[in-house]
Amino acid sequence: AQSVAQPEDQVNVAEGNPLTVKCTYSVSGNPYLFWYVQYPNRGLQFLLKYITGDNLVKGSYGFEAEFNKSQTSFHLKKPSALVSDSALYFCAVRDIYSSASKIIFGSGTRLSIRP
Amino acid sequence: DGGITQSPKYLFRKEGQNVTLSCEQNLNHDAMYWYRQDPGQGLRLIYYSQIVNDFQKGDIAEGYSVSREKKESFPLTVTSAQKNPTAFYLCASSALTSGAYNEQFFGPGTRLTVL
Repeated sequence: AQSVAQPEDQVNVAEGNPLTVKCTYSVSGNPYLFWYVQYPNRGLQFLLKYITGDNLVKGSYGFEAEFNKSQTSFHLKKPSALVSDSALYFCAVRDIYSSASKIIFGSGTRLSIRP
Repeated sequence: DGGITQSPKYLFRKEGQNVTLSCEQNLNHDAMYWYRQDPGQGLRLIYYSQIVNDFQKGDIAEGYSVSREKKESFPLTVTSAQKNPTAFYLCASSALTSGAYNEQFFGPGTRLTVL
């Protein structure tokens, strides 16, 4: 079965420090991976995706993610955290058994940036 | 201004009543989706549709119904058969492009509370 796991419910980082939000995946074949962010009482916003090509993917708001096939990971990173980055982050993988663009979401990681 | 709109933002329902949540998009996307979000559980797919007049059940379709009479609209009805309907409901849409894996765009959500 296809799945993504976000092993940390919460990540706390001081403003200005680098941040990492972890994601591991389990899929058959090539993974198509996404990161989304959700601010309180709002819908999800797309940050970035990995389909093929460079293992380092750059996205919105200064975020990037590194695809690591050997470790089946797709961690989200940012060199210098901002208080405004505090939000709920979801990793997701495309459901390859679906003909539509169905994606399977992880359980989410709450990122808290302290001033 | 393209995007996805959901209405209402907050909805209160008495037990035993059906209620319909609206979702409209002007992105010309073929696929539309409904998710339910509960605290600590991420997003779960209720229904999705790839084309007008066709839709498929997701992982938690029991107690819900949908229609897709127009490309732009994908309303969700929460019926009295849904035993625990209090949740945050998110609508999304995506393009369906052959050979591409497109991200989903989300609406702002509707928070449903059963009194």
